[in-house]
Amino acid sequence: GIQVEQSPPDLILQEGANSTLRCNFSDSVNNLQWFHQNPWGQLINLFYIPSGTKQNGRLSATTVATERYSLLYISSSQTTDSGVYFCAVFSGTYKYIFGTGTRLKVLA
Amino acid sequence: DADVTQTPRNRITKTGKRIMLECSQTKGHDRMYWYRQDPGLGLRLIYYSFDVKDINKGEISDGYSVSRQAQAKFSLSLESAIPNQTALYFCATMERGSDTQYFGPGTRLTVL
Repeated sequence: GIQVEQSPPDLILQEGANSTLRCNFSDSVNNLQWFHQNPWGQLINLFYIPSGTKQNGRLSATTVATERYSLLYISSSQTTDSGVYFCAVFSGTYKYIFGTGTRLKVLA
Repeated sequence: DADVTQTPRNRITKTGKRIMLECSQTKGHDRMYWYRQDPGLGLRLIYYSFDVKDINKGEISDGYSVSRQAQAKFSLSLESAIPNQTALYFCATMERGSDTQYFGPGTRLTVL
């Protein structure tokens, strides 16, 4: 089956810093989603991005489907950005495969 | 009101007990999913359902069963809970023709 790898596994930033999170996948996918899991465990949809670039405020994402990776950019990070960021890929079998996440901690 | 709800939100139980986790949605989506999340790991699929009569095993279905009582309701049962089923459980929905999943708030289950 498809393998999904995320890097880095852990990231500590000072408030105001920028960061890039990466998601690599091993085969063609129909869709990719980025999620933020906050410290209370809730999963929040960030982007639905099978290809191209999207932006939402301080967050943006780019998926290069032909090269099998996606990037999540966080600019001017805030303490509320802390949590775990997951990417999940959808291969057309109606099932999502999740990566193991990047744990982000933003220090005040 | 939340579109995808899960009950209970937290549950502590003992080894051998039968437990049911419930998921309800008001989004009108036909597809529903149950995942579990273990500390430091991503979500893994337990079961999924495309409609009331179409239920499929995911990658880690052993020890679990499900029931799709209606389009809006999908329940997960642990017939005889064991400690390694301690995890955070998520329900999700997806609309036919869409690839976007919507998650419930999660149920934190502890089996002692």
